[in-house]
Amino acid sequence: GENVEQHPSTLSVQEGDSAVIKCTYSDSASNYFPWYKQELGKGPQLIIDIRSNVGEKKDQRIAVTLNKTAKHFSLHITETQPEDSAVYFCAAPGGYQKVTFGTGTKLQVIP
Amino acid sequence: EAQVTQNPRYLITVTGKKLTVTCSQNMNHEYMSWYRQDPGLGLRQIYYSMNVEVTDKGDVPEGYKVSRKEKRNFPLILESPSPNQTSLYFCASSIRDGQNTEAFFGQGTRLTVV
Repeated sequence: GENVEQHPSTLSVQEGDSAVIKCTYSDSASNYFPWYKQELGKGPQLIIDIRSNVGEKKDQRIAVTLNKTAKHFSLHITETQPEDSAVYFCAAPGGYQKVTFGTGTKLQVIP
Repeated sequence: EAQVTQNPRYLITVTGKKLTVTCSQNMNHEYMSWYRQDPGLGLRQIYYSMNVEVTDKGDVPEGYKVSRKEKRNFPLILESPSPNQTSLYFCASSIRDGQNTEAFFGQGTRLTVV
């Protein structure tokens, strides 16, 4: 099955700085890579995703990059704000119709 | 409003007492799934369903059962709960292929088994 590793597990940044979270995966057939944000007391919510036919995708302050050769994809948040504080999860296809999530990154943005 | 609804939100039960956590979606999604979230382990898939009457095991299915008799509902059944099933549970749905489309999550059910 798929093995998804996510780093770091915790990340503290000053407001206005950038944050980068990285995930690696093992199944070279994977071709859809979403990122989810989980705020306290809520379910995860998709914030951005990328498919294997592109290398980078941006949505305002959020971007995702994909390196299929190295089997890793990263979430980049620029100009961080307190409301970015949350737990972030990456995910990748995990074998026949399964989905494998990373272990999560708790991001704290310090005002 | 498009949503995934889980009930109950909080549940405390005793070892061995059967329980069911309900999940319902109003988006006509084909793919539904259950996850458990534990500290340091992230989200782990318990069971998933590709469509009505089609279910399969995820990565941690032991001790759980599911059914998909209607497209909108996907209940999670614990026949004989044990303390190691204390966790935060999420139901999710996707329009079609769970591996290649966005998952919509419910608000979660926090289960404590004593």
